[in-house]
Amino acid sequence: DGGITQSPKYLFRKEGQNVTLSCEQNLNHDAMYWYRQDPGQGLRLIYYSQIVNDFQKGDIAEGYSVSREKKESFPLTVTSAQKNPTAFYLCASKTLGTSGSTDTQYFGPGTRLTVL
Amino acid sequence: AQKITQTQPGMFVQEKEAVTLDCTYDTSDPSYGLFWYKQPSSGEMIFLIYQGSYDQQNATEGRYSLNFQKARKSANLVISASQLGDSAMYFCAMREGPGINKFYFGSGTKLNVKP
Repeated sequence: DGGITQSPKYLFRKEGQNVTLSCEQNLNHDAMYWYRQDPGQGLRLIYYSQIVNDFQKGDIAEGYSVSREKKESFPLTVTSAQKNPTAFYLCASKTLGTSGSTDTQYFGPGTRLTVL
Repeated sequence: AQKITQTQPGMFVQEKEAVTLDCTYDTSDPSYGLFWYKQPSSGEMIFLIYQGSYDQQNATEGRYSLNFQKARKSANLVISASQLGDSAMYFCAMREGPGINKFYFGSGTKLNVKP
């Protein structure tokens, strides 16, 4: 089945450690996104990429890094520089050049990161 | 300024009744898209309905309809005949301009459907 997978579902990290969240899609989508969601809040954009080997910072990129070496993969690294990383992380993707309801993003199931 | 504003943190509705979730947006771009997503407690985001800025008619998808008032910059979601399974967080989102693929999300409305 086509879709977006994120792993792991739950992740625990000690303070000072870097951790990488996986996001893979087999929808042949060009654009991929990472969002952070805090309890009871909306989604805030961390990074997004519209093409392989290129990505742009979102609204809260500090303390995070990404890579886009393959079209289907967009891993997010939460570095030790991120002071409050405990949150729910959602990955999304969409195709480009569409209009109407097909212009939507498709989301993965999310990764819940907890810093111990 | 906030691009998307949802002013109702929480809403209650009786099962089988209709409910309106409010959303206002801010953009100076004549071309934009508006989206509503549902987020159940499991966390996944489910796309519900889309409205384009040039669409003449309000969008409808089953029990969901979008009350689009362009001059007021509002895009309210109407859920008819509420069901218990509609209890979830609902997010309004906007994508500005053609070829721009950045989305802005509101803070969400938590809907509780009472039996």
